[in-house]
Amino acid sequence: TQLLEQSPQFLSIQEGENLTVYCNSSSVFSSLQWYRQEPGEGPVLLVTVVTGGEVKKLKRLTFQFGDARKDSSLHITAAQPGDTGLYLCAGDPTGNQFYFGTGTSLTVIP
Amino acid sequence: DAMVIQNPRYQVTQFGKPVTLSCSQTLNHNVMYWYQQKSSQAPKLLFHYYDKDFNNEADTPDNFQSRRPNTSFCFLDIRSPGLGDAAMYLCATSPRQGSYNEQFFGPGTRLTVL
Repeated sequence: TQLLEQSPQFLSIQEGENLTVYCNSSSVFSSLQWYRQEPGEGPVLLVTVVTGGEVKKLKRLTFQFGDARKDSSLHITAAQPGDTGLYLCAGDPTGNQFYFGTGTSLTVIP
Repeated sequence: DAMVIQNPRYQVTQFGKPVTLSCSQTLNHNVMYWYQQKSSQAPKLLFHYYDKDFNNEADTPDNFQSRRPNTSFCFLDIRSPGLGDAAMYLCATSPRQGSYNEQFFGPGTRLTVL
């Protein structure tokens, strides 16, 4: 059983469509991070959400942290081919061990 | 620019032949991590160093060892690679342990086992 479950696992959409990726856990996290990994590269941090109920926006990306701090979502508006990649949520529930989510592989078709 | 460097980017080894992957960082971060990532899967933590303190994940095979001779360098040794060890190996650093700290990743080394 994974500590952080992401859904969907794979997503293929047309350019211009909207999408939402979910990250769920039964554990409480003091914060969650979202990373994007492009093919052949290491993951790069997009955002850290800290407060329950927090919403952060990064251009066309909107991140939300659940009120109970057990889940998070990433919404992309008007997806572009450059958004293609593996999206990973990540967190450290104990303060000394970092876990990645199961990942969502996104393909945006021009 | 401060960064995490992994060499080589691509490594080919033979079944059972020891191989060493290298990671260096110019960020002067205390924490260094090694992850294994298989195709379209999330990175799986193998071990990490907090300064010189080594922390091995419970399910990391004994076949995998690590060395951190100084703050800047960290090595992953695979003593007897099997076909199942073919993967991308990612090195990452963080200034401190804890929830709020971003991990900075290198580009990875893709290992092929023949």
